[in-house]
Amino acid sequence: NAGVMQNPRHLVRRRGQEARLRCSPMKGHSHVYWYRQLPEEGLKFMVYLQKENIIDESGMPKERFSAEFPKEGPSILRIQQVVRGDSAAYFCASSPRDSPRVGYFGAGTRLSVL
Amino acid sequence: AQSVTQLDSQVPVFEEAPVELRCNYSSSVSVYLFWYVQYPNQGLQLLLKYLSGSTLVKGINGFEAEFNKSQTSFHLRKPSVHISDTAEYFCAVSADSGGGADGLTFGKGTHLIIQP
Repeated sequence: NAGVMQNPRHLVRRRGQEARLRCSPMKGHSHVYWYRQLPEEGLKFMVYLQKENIIDESGMPKERFSAEFPKEGPSILRIQQVVRGDSAAYFCASSPRDSPRVGYFGAGTRLSVL
Repeated sequence: AQSVTQLDSQVPVFEEAPVELRCNYSSSVSVYLFWYVQYPNQGLQLLLKYLSGSTLVKGINGFEAEFNKSQTSFHLRKPSVHISDTAEYFCAVSADSGGGADGLTFGKGTHLIIQP
């Protein structure tokens, strides 16, 4: 049973470009969470999704950031017009329906904005 | 809202010595508690969790933690550490809001350094 798969592992973008981060949850998991880890800080919750639904986006910046978890395919975290402050590690976690609080994390995508 | 405080940013310990990593939380509702470990340039691995039942929780790699509701603590312990335990350890909480599964609130992490 493959774990949570995130790609790419490293992503380099210039200011103003778009970044797309993908997350494939573990097989059978219907809950997806995105977190951001800034240097010298812990992980901060961004958004919680179920298939085709955003359940809680209270941790998402109001502008430039969006997330989706379509019926088919991976969850996508999209950052438009990236700025240097977006440089961070972005982690995805998935949970099964019967134990939604127990998150299994992917290896993360490290975004560097030049 | 809930918060998590990990009191030590770094804990140096000699190999084969015992270790305790401290975690305190605050919340106005019941919580679920977790410890994760992060090795360099990797994702987080679940060490153990407290959802309900016995307050002493055993996890992987010989770690255990005790939920103390009166002291709002969930300290992580290991009786004898190895070099391979060198990593960042994160304590996290999730509120029992009744409406579903909220995201985790993490502490800032404790860097465990094992000295030979």
